[in-house]
Amino acid sequence: GAVVSQHPSRVICKSGTSVKIECRSLDFQATTMFWYRQFPKQSLMLMATSNEGSKATYEQGVEKDKFLINHASLTLSTLTVTSAHPEDSSFYICSARPFEGSGGYTFGSGTRLTVV
Amino acid sequence: QQPVQSPQAVILREGEDAVINCSSSKALYSVHWYRQKHGEAPVFLMILLKGGEQKGHEKISASFNEKKQQSSLYLTASQLSYSGTYFCGTEPLTGGGNKLTFGTGTQLKVEL
Repeated sequence: GAVVSQHPSRVICKSGTSVKIECRSLDFQATTMFWYRQFPKQSLMLMATSNEGSKATYEQGVEKDKFLINHASLTLSTLTVTSAHPEDSSFYICSARPFEGSGGYTFGSGTRLTVV
Repeated sequence: QQPVQSPQAVILREGEDAVINCSSSKALYSVHWYRQKHGEAPVFLMILLKGGEQKGHEKISASFNEKKQQSSLYLTASQLSYSGTYFCGTEPLTGGGNKLTFGTGTQLKVEL
């Protein structure tokens, strides 16, 4: 089946530093990937849509300069949290859709970010 | 706006049935259902594309009422492994750009 690999699974960083999260589609090509953020006991909230070869599309209220997205190839999207603060601590999950139109979304295993 | 799910939480004894509802304020192209275990990523259960469509997946099935912009997930003869948080995800009929909006979630716990 279609697999999305996400790394790292957990990261602890100091306030003010940057963290990069990688999301790879292992057995399919993904021209579009999606980045979500999930706070404890809450739903997944879409942050941005990552487009291969072009700029990402950010949801309202998400700072594009803080959450940098790069989709350099058909199998890799990265999310960089810049100048991280404790309020950025959350569960970040990427997803992609192996079969357009009729299939579900496959999710990475998620990254637990803790900013101290 | 985020789809609203009901109930927010439910506790079942093994073998009991449950229904989880998802209601959207927008006209929908599709409804997805996912289950998420604590600390893990959501897992795809099924997608419903047509109005009035009903699908089954072992003892888990779902219906989609396109006119009412609602979907329901049916869990029959629940098992311990069914425990987790269930989310519906919706794609709007227009202007969605292939984006999935997740519902508010329903926590399901199955006990012996």
